[in-house]
Amino acid sequence: GAVVSQHPSWVICKSGTSVKIECRSLDFQATTMFWYRQFPKQSLMLMATSNEGSKATYEQGVEKDKFLINHASLTLSTLTVTSAHPEDSSFYICSASLAGDEQFFGPGTRLTVL
Amino acid sequence: SQELEQSPQSLIVQEGKNLTINCTSSKTLYGLYWYKQKYGEGLIFLMMLQKGGEEKSHEKITAKLDEKKQQSSLHITASQPSHAGIYLCGAGSYNTDKLIFGTGTRLQVFP
Repeated sequence: GAVVSQHPSWVICKSGTSVKIECRSLDFQATTMFWYRQFPKQSLMLMATSNEGSKATYEQGVEKDKFLINHASLTLSTLTVTSAHPEDSSFYICSASLAGDEQFFGPGTRLTVL
Repeated sequence: SQELEQSPQSLIVQEGKNLTINCTSSKTLYGLYWYKQKYGEGLIFLMMLQKGGEEKSHEKITAKLDEKKQQSSLHITASQPSHAGIYLCGAGSYNTDKLIFGTGTRLQVFP
């Protein structure tokens, strides 16, 4: 159990376009979902925490207008990178947890902005 | 804010050798998680430690949390190529669900 999926697994887009990444908890209802970003050879950096039905809480230095997070249901959260630029190219990983329990991680989405 | 420092940053060992990865926190740990990540993939949960002095083992991997709950070690016995990857420690927070990750250790095991 406790499977988290992400879609797409990789995406290439042109500079200035927007990209949406989905994170789904497949076999449990996640009260909280987290979004992380990982640059090459670096660790995971938490971007934001989202709870179903409420606004996401962003970490310091993360632009909420650029990285739009929607947590519409207990099994789905989306991250939209708006007006993407090459510096937004990264590996984006989501995780899901139930009521403060262990986080279960998705397989990640590799974003390349040309 | 809490910071987690891992050492070494990278490690190359011969198959069959033992190795240890350390994770040191700038603050008291309320929960310490160890994960493994293959390049370009998600995280695989290894172990979670909460109590000072706690030690857990799974197959050839043993993780310990020191009595002061500020340092953890991950020990692999008789390493195999399948152990290769990036090892990350993560610290839980006292009153939130957040995880802060360490700087990571890249392990390579050659035959």
